[in-house]
Amino acid sequence: DIQMTQSPSTLSASVGDRVTITCRASQSIHPWLAWYQQKPGKAPKLLIYKTSTLETGVPSRFSGSGSGTEFTLTISSLQPDDFATYFCQQYNSFSTFGPGTNVEIK
Amino acid sequence: QVHLQESGPGLVKPSETLSLTCTVSGVSISGFYWNWIRQLPGKRLEWIAFISDNGNARYSPSLRSRVTTSVDTSKGQFSLRLGSVTAADTAVYYCARGYYTNDAFDVWGQGTLVAVSS
Repeated sequence: DIQMTQSPSTLSASVGDRVTITCRASQSIHPWLAWYQQKPGKAPKLLIYKTSTLETGVPSRFSGSGSGTEFTLTISSLQPDDFATYFCQQYNSFSTFGPGTNVEIK
Repeated sequence: QVHLQESGPGLVKPSETLSLTCTVSGVSISGFYWNWIRQLPGKRLEWIAFISDNGNARYSPSLRSRVTTSVDTSKGQFSLRLGSVTAADTAVYYCARGYYTNDAFDVWGQGTLVAVSS
């Protein structure tokens, strides 16, 4: 099984801040990495797939990068609607998710 | 607009079988891979299985011995059965769409909470 980790587990930030979340895989998965946003009581929403491709309708302040085993999700200027939990997912071999990063209001 | 809706019992007794159905609307069930994913109480997401319109299925190695899936293209539905459940199977169960066997999931159902308890 490919294991996924994320850091930090919780991130406190303010509106307008640049935010970066890191995801690491136990083996190389490039480019098969996706990012999701989840709000309480809702299903995850796909933001980015194939490391850096923005899903249709997702604001351009979201971006993804990385290679090999280390990947990042960046929010260039945090907006009120962005306070949520973010998950990474590898789909190189079956599918496994990271434990999540909770982005909360500072 | 593509819409997925999970349905099934919200309470299952230990050792029994959990059965869920996902109804697909707004798109043909053909040409995609239909997945089951669950979110455990600690918020961790766990992929369970996928099935295609021709019945090609793949299961998570950790759940393979207890999982079966099926598809009914005439009804636009696919189903999950998880046997010998325990309290550790208590979770929110989602169905979701992928374009390939291993893929990101672009459309999700709203999720259904299944509790395992006597």
